Amino acid sequence: DQQVKQNSPSLSVQEGRISILNCDYTNSMFDYFLWYKKYPAEGPTFLISISSIKDKNEDGRFTVFLNKSAKHLSLHIVPSQPGDSAVYFCAANSKGGANNLFFGTGTRLTVIP
Amino acid sequence: GAVVSQHPSWVICKSGTSVKIECRSLDFQATTMFWYRQFPKQSLMLMATSNEGSKATYEQGVEKDKFLINHASLTLSTLTVTSAHPEDSSFYICSARAIAGGSDTQYFGPGTRLTVL
Repeated sequence: DQQVKQNSPSLSVQEGRISILNCDYTNSMFDYFLWYKKYPAEGPTFLISISSIKDKNEDGRFTVFLNKSAKHLSLHIVPSQPGDSAVYFCAANSKGGANNLFFGTGTRLTVIP
Repeated sequence: GAVVSQHPSWVICKSGTSVKIECRSLDFQATTMFWYRQFPKQSLMLMATSNEGSKATYEQGVEKDKFLINHASLTLSTLTVTSAHPEDSSFYICSARAIAGGSDTQYFGPGTRLTVL
């Protein structure tokens, strides 16, 4: 049972434009969310997180938006750069922190120069 | 940022042998580490949670006698795949939980590619 879903397996964006990666979850108990970036044959790299008490968190080019009523979060990358090309995973947890994370299936982002 | 290392990065072994994978947090102490497995084109699947000084907690469907986990110190957890078989071939990734300064994050190692012949 996939509790965290990323329905778009891939996304292509022109360099300089905004990349929007989406994530939906089914468990209403989830209260902490993270985004990771992963290159092939490497471990995921932490990008940004958000607690359910917030609806937005920003860090440089990365912004995560959380819509609790819709059980939806999104990661915005602006401006997109070729080096951003990777697989992006969202993850969620119900214990208020980064414990026992449930991962989505990932979205492969390709930024076209 | 926090750095987590894994060793080896890849290993090939014969069926029936055991393989040990090490996970180290290099610049922070981690009371909790996690072991994941990733099949091609699939998401990360949590195998077990490793707590320093206590027994690991395994996810449903993961054989604890086959995947032995030891978290002997605050910076080291090991995963031993015992009597490995070809179906155990996979990409194994560990992570360490870091809680500091209001942030709570899992930092991942680079992964270990296991191929069982």
